[in-house]
Amino acid sequence: QVTLKESGPVLVKPTETLTLTCTVSGFSLSNARMGVSWIRQPPGKALEWLAHIFSNDEKSYSTSLKSRLTISKDTSKSQVVLTMTNMDPVDTATYYCARILKTRPVDYWGQGTLVTVSS
Amino acid sequence: EIVLTQSPGTLSLSPGERATLSCRASQSVSSSYLAWYQQKPGQAPRLLIYGASSRATGIPDRFSGSGSGTDFTLTISRLEPEDFAVYYCQQYGSWGTFGQGTKVEIK
Repeated sequence: QVTLKESGPVLVKPTETLTLTCTVSGFSLSNARMGVSWIRQPPGKALEWLAHIFSNDEKSYSTSLKSRLTISKDTSKSQVVLTMTNMDPVDTATYYCARILKTRPVDYWGQGTLVTVSS
Repeated sequence: EIVLTQSPGTLSLSPGERATLSCRASQSVSSSYLAWYQQKPGQAPRLLIYGASSRATGIPDRFSGSGSGTDFTLTISRLEPEDFAVYYCQQYGSWGTFGQGTKVEIK
């Protein structure tokens, strides 16, 4: 059974760095073509793709947020970590991690974690 | 970066009616790497269609996808009560951009 679970702070202050962890089970981050995406959704708004990483360590970032994002993985811990620097109230959103395969879209989603940016 | 524009923003229909949702890309989507998702309030999205026209596992055949290049369509042949939700398209050939969504609401 494939599951993904996001963890991290529920509240961060403006200018702080957000670190989110996605812990996966039911598949291995070392499997060929396997990957994890981070996607966010501000309250009442649309989905926004942020970044992804594949088993071969290939990474891609949203053009508009590239300077603020870093994605990495720890295969032994079955974890993918996303950091976002210089947080702002407009970054308040539910952050999802999700499984992807090369040339395939998301097939499994985490439950999401709501991160609020406020002083 | 490919921009996806969905229309209409809101679709007001009755159960049993046909729904046609559009997704237009700012440039050609490679190999028809276009997906459709359904999202209900408080839930994560659910994959409906991938490769522009292939139904995901367990998706009823009233959902169908079509299109290529820059123009794609999701059709729900006869709306069931559980189909009223927000629908997003996503291109996954170059990064993973989403459209802004179409809300299908009960008329």
